[in-house]
Amino acid sequence: GAGVSQSPSNKVTEKGKDVELRCDPISGHTALYWYRQSLGQGLEFLIYFQGNSAPDKSGLPSDRFSAERTGGSVSTLTIQRTQQEDSAVYLCASSPRPDGQETQYFGPGTRLLVL
Amino acid sequence: ILNVEQSPQSLHVQEGDSTNFTCSFPSSNFYALHWYRWETAKSPEALFVMTLNGDEKKKGRISATLNTKEGYSYLYIKGSQPEDSATYLCAGSGNAGGTSYGKLTFGQGTILTVHP
Repeated sequence: GAGVSQSPSNKVTEKGKDVELRCDPISGHTALYWYRQSLGQGLEFLIYFQGNSAPDKSGLPSDRFSAERTGGSVSTLTIQRTQQEDSAVYLCASSPRPDGQETQYFGPGTRLLVL
Repeated sequence: ILNVEQSPQSLHVQEGDSTNFTCSFPSSNFYALHWYRWETAKSPEALFVMTLNGDEKKKGRISATLNTKEGYSYLYIKGSQPEDSATYLCAGSGNAGGTSYGKLTFGQGTILTVHP
């Protein structure tokens, strides 16, 4: 079946602009996660959606970052007033259930460059 | 799990060599340990999810062990091939108050390069 898809695959933007990153999870997966990898850093948790429960936003680095998941499927991560330190690879993953023993299936990522 | 560490940061081996990497994590509140392989320009690919102390899992030439009491996991690759070149990530999930958390805390990764 189809895996996790993300768009765009690459995004170059100017400092101060807003960007939207999209994630289409595997159909039927109730849990959806956003991570990012900045240059020289490990993968960093940002936010996760767990079915009908409130999302865990504890990893969002600032209030410029927000995310939503519509209809329990597609998710959009929005970064407002982008800064150069936002440059990173943004990865989305989904799993059948929001449980730490479930395999997370990753998309190919969006490479964001803020000039 | 707040702090997951991997070593070495990078590794260069010759084709045919066997190699191993280490992942260490806090043993308190341990719930699960994940290994992923991430090739350039591709999605991270799940290798193993390990939960029980003493667990050993195998997938082809790759295997992993888990020691939850001392807080470490080893990943082994037998007879490395150039196509094994990738970043190998481990990640942990925690369990607090009987609730498991889906979010993973990743280590920095080990970059493996296998030379023909």
